[in-house]
Amino acid sequence: EIVLTQSPGTLSLSPGERATLSCRASQSVSRYLAWYQQKPGQAPRLLIYDSSTRATGIPARFSGSGSGTDFTLTITGLEPEDFAVYYCQQRSNWPLTFGGGTKVEIK
Amino acid sequence: EVQLVESGGGLVKPGESLRLSCAASGFTFSYYSMNWVRQAPGKGPEWVSSIDYSSSYIFYGDSVKGRFTISRDNAKNSLYLQMDSLRAEDTAVYYCATTSTGGLPDWFHSWGQGTLVTVSS
Repeated sequence: EIVLTQSPGTLSLSPGERATLSCRASQSVSRYLAWYQQKPGQAPRLLIYDSSTRATGIPARFSGSGSGTDFTLTITGLEPEDFAVYYCQQRSNWPLTFGGGTKVEIK
Repeated sequence: EVQLVESGGGLVKPGESLRLSCAASGFTFSYYSMNWVRQAPGKGPEWVSSIDYSSSYIFYGDSVKGRFTISRDNAKNSLYLQMDSLRAEDTAVYYCATTSTGGLPDWFHSWGQGTLVTVSS
């Protein structure tokens, strides 16, 4: 099973700042990595897939990068609605696995 | 607009069974693979099972293999999850999620609102 480790666990930032979230895989997943955003009481929402492709309707301030084992989600200019928990997920190998999440909170 | 509505959750005792349903609308259900993903209280999401568009390919997570059965009825635009021999650790919100292709594996592009399953004596 591929283990995804996200860091940091919590990121405390102010609106307008840049957020950089990390996801590290226990073995190469090529570019088969996605990022999801989840707000309290809601289902996760797909933001980025195939490492860097934005899903439909996702603002350009969200960007993803990386390949192999190291991936980054960057939010350039945090908006109030961006404060949430973010999960990475791989589809390179069965079973599909998620990371433990990074909470982006208001400083 | 894609709509996925889960139902069938509830409170059951360990060892009992439950059948979840997911009603899909707003897209051509028979074209796309479907998935169940669960999330225990305060935890991250956990993939449970996937089925391709024609039910030819089915996959399960290790924690549910042999106890859960995924199925679909393309004529009814519906996805199902039969859960047998339920355990306390199966307590979670269960989401159905669609992909953007008929094949597997694929990303979870759209999600339902979830249905809560609680397993407790």
